[in-house]
Parts: sequence; structure tokens; C-alpha cells
Amino acid sequence: QSALTQPASVSGSPGQSITVSCTGTSSNVGVYNYVSWYQQHPGKAPKLMIYDVTKRPSGVSNRFSGSKSGNTASLTISGLQAEDEADYYCSSFTTRSTYVFGTGTKVTVL
Amino acid sequence: DVQLVESGGGLVQPGGSLRLSCAASGFTVSSNFMSWVRQAPGKGLEWVSVIYAGGSTFYADSVKGRFTISRDNSKNRLYLQMNSLRAEDTAVYYCARDGTTGDLDHWGQGTLVTVSS
Repeated sequence: QSALTQPASVSGSPGQSITVSCTGTSSNVGVYNYVSWYQQHPGKAPKLMIYDVTKRPSGVSNRFSGSKSGNTASLTISGLQAEDEADYYCSSFTTRSTYVFGTGTKVTVL
Repeated sequence: DVQLVESGGGLVQPGGSLRLSCAASGFTVSSNFMSWVRQAPGKGLEWVSVIYAGGSTFYADSVKGRFTISRDNSKNRLYLQMNSLRAEDTAVYYCARDGTTGDLDHWGQGTLVTVSS
């Protein structure tokens, strides 16, 4: 199954808000509310930031929020901070009972 | 505390086999969905396989028929048997606890598999 489509890079200044998009199909993002978002710093394991489109795990800052419209999910980071600079990946459950990740987005804090 | 520790990675020749192990603590592997995810050097994440609490298994098309996910309930361990390895299987392999909707809430540190002659 093809990877979900994300922009290669997104940047913003400290304090600003940015949004990362994740586009799938009617076989994954569009059919289930099972989209997750992960943050990965260099050399580290990914960290779950958002699950089930909008839910935040305990301990994750409320500056991170998720949404979905049709086949596209989005991750918004508000009040951008230096420590938010990382790679971000979306993922979705699929109609084949498998999972698919996005292509990944490098978030840069200017 | 939940902890996952992978082992078993290394250098293997094309066509060879390797078995990865993931030791879990702080929770029961057999009561949870568990996934394997890999990341080729400098590349993005790729989901590999999942085993449900009930025992059902699913695989990415890229590994189906070559990889097998399993678990040992007595040892609280997850495994990934990898056969007919190819150069494109070279990656860091992570095991992760799956909250049932693909929400991988705990990850191991990863183990590197290199397929090369």
C-alpha cells in the first residue's frame, strides 16, 4: 500500500502555529478515525503525539492538536518551540487491517 | 514502567535469515496488540507487521510470505522471523505496543539489521 502523502518540510518562527497535512485515500484516512501522529528526534525512537485523529496521550503538550477532513488529516502545533523541531509522521489503519505511515515532514523552527 | 528492548539484529547475507526478539516489561504482551516498524537509513517509517491479542497476524505487502510475527507468552516476548532477506530490508527495526487502532504508544530503542554480502 502506498505511503500517505506529507509535505517534505514545514517551518515556522517561535510562537507561531504550523500545520502538517497527511493525505490518504478512502481505504485508510478517509474511512477510519484511526489516524496517529508521531514525533521523531534524530537518533531516537518515535513518540506518539496524537491518536484516533484528535486524542492526546497523557503527558503530551496541548499545543499539539489533530483534525481530519475527508481523506486528509492534519497536525497543528501552536506556540512553536525550539524543542518541536523534529520529523513528524502520520499513520492510519487501513481496510486491509494493516497500517500505513506517511512520508514524513521535517519541522524546522526558524 | 513499560519497557521494550529489541535484540537480534546484525549483518546477514542476502537470502539469509534472522530472528529479532523484543523483551517486554511492565505489561503483558499477549494481552496487547504488538507491531514491528522499520526505518531504513535516512528514510521514513515503514510499518511491517502486527499481532493482535487474539493471535491474528497481518503483514505489509513488502514482507508478506518472508517474515513471521509471533510471541512467547511465558517469556513475555515478541519475535520477528525474517527469511529470504534482501538488501532493501536493511533498517532499524522497532517493536511497539499497539493500542488497537494503530496508536503505537511505547517503542523500543530499535535494532539494526544490515543485509549485505
